[in-house]
Amino acid sequence: EVHLVESGGGLVQPGGSLRLSCVASGFAFSNYWMAWVRQAPGKGLEWVANIKQDESEQYSVDSVKGRFTISRDNAKNSLYVQMNGLRAEDTAIYYCARLDYGSGWYLDYWGQGTLVTVSS
Amino acid sequence: DIQVTQSPSSLSASVGDRVTITCRASQNIARSLNWFQQKPGRVPKLLIYGASTLQGGVPSRFSGTESGTDFTLTISSLQPDDFATYYCLQTYSAPWTFGQGTKVQIK
Repeated sequence: EVHLVESGGGLVQPGGSLRLSCVASGFAFSNYWMAWVRQAPGKGLEWVANIKQDESEQYSVDSVKGRFTISRDNAKNSLYVQMNGLRAEDTAIYYCARLDYGSGWYLDYWGQGTLVTVSS
Repeated sequence: DIQVTQSPSSLSASVGDRVTITCRASQNIARSLNWFQQKPGRVPKLLIYGASTLQGGVPSRFSGTESGTDFTLTISSLQPDDFATYYCLQTYSAPWTFGQGTKVQIK
């Protein structure tokens, strides 16, 4: 059974940094693209970033470019996002998700999410 | 960037009703559209990918269709478990973009 478990969320001051982790199990992690998606409290979903199996391709939403870095460690079945220069508008639940492909990409498995709160 | 406009933002319906939700993409996205269901405090659940392919375990009352840049999610006979918020997501090109969401409420 596929499991994705995020960790690393918490309260951080504006301008601060945080590193989120997502540990995967139940599938061959190194064979899949992975993604981060976030959801601000009471708001809709926002795609944050994707990363290819070997890290050779990465894509992210403009609002986090230059501040967030997505990475992975296939030996540890882990996905990461390093978040620097955090802003109040980055406050959200951050989900990691697995990508698969069939007539287009899709996000088939999601973790439970970890809450990041940016506030002074 | 590709914009996705989802409508309506909310709707009220009764058990047994047929419900349709639409997403319109600002340009061609082929069939690269996902539909998700999210209940309060829960993780989004994939319903449909490739515009019309039902994810495993999803009831057959859910269906998706595509006509050019217009995509429709249909619930053929609304059940009590279906009251939730629904989102579409285009995965044709980065940045991927979600629709604004449609909250399906009990009439």
